[in-house]
Amino acid sequence: EAQVTQNPRYLITVTGKKLTVTCSQNMNHEYMSWYRQDPGLGLRQIYYSMNVEVTDKGDVPEGYKVSRKEKRNFPLILESPSPNQTSLYFCASSPGRTGELFFGEGSRLTVL
Amino acid sequence: QKEVEQDPGPLSVPEGAIVSLNCTYSNSAFQYFMWYRQYSRKGPELLMYTYSSGNKEDGRFTAQVDKSSKYISLFIRDSQPSDSATYLCAMSARGQNFVFGPGTRLSVLP
Repeated sequence: EAQVTQNPRYLITVTGKKLTVTCSQNMNHEYMSWYRQDPGLGLRQIYYSMNVEVTDKGDVPEGYKVSRKEKRNFPLILESPSPNQTSLYFCASSPGRTGELFFGEGSRLTVL
Repeated sequence: QKEVEQDPGPLSVPEGAIVSLNCTYSNSAFQYFMWYRQYSRKGPELLMYTYSSGNKEDGRFTAQVDKSSKYISLFIRDSQPSDSATYLCAMSARGQNFVFGPGTRLSVLP
């Protein structure tokens, strides 16, 4: 089954404790991206990657890091999480430069 | 002014009604226009995709893009309770950096 898998789905952590949210897709897509979704603000792009070893900032990259060492994986790293990073996070992939984004189920992160 | 504006609703309609959802935008460079549907506690799924201006129809759904007015619409005919969800418009200039509207929550009442 074609899918984008995120882990963990739910996480409660404390300020400053490094965490990684993994994202994996099995559709051989070149493009992958991360979003955060907050009430009233919609989905905002954090980082995106056009291919392996190629990443670029989206609209809200501060406090986040990403890497793309393999085509299928695109982890999101929070080096020192803060409460304003409490949000619902989505990973998405796409076969090319179109709007056909395939989203994961989401990861709800709470930073205390 | 936000780059993409969308009426957040909630919008409640009776089953069988025609629903009109709209977004306005300010960036004239946008040329990829999408509508996504998001059910509660799920990731968004693509409903309609349009490149540049014009109309596109798929079953009960019709997407319209008016670049001169910087306005896009999604029409749902014969709405069903299963259409109850949040609808997100999204846009991109080069198919890399996507900008989403805040979403409109729709409830279709049986």
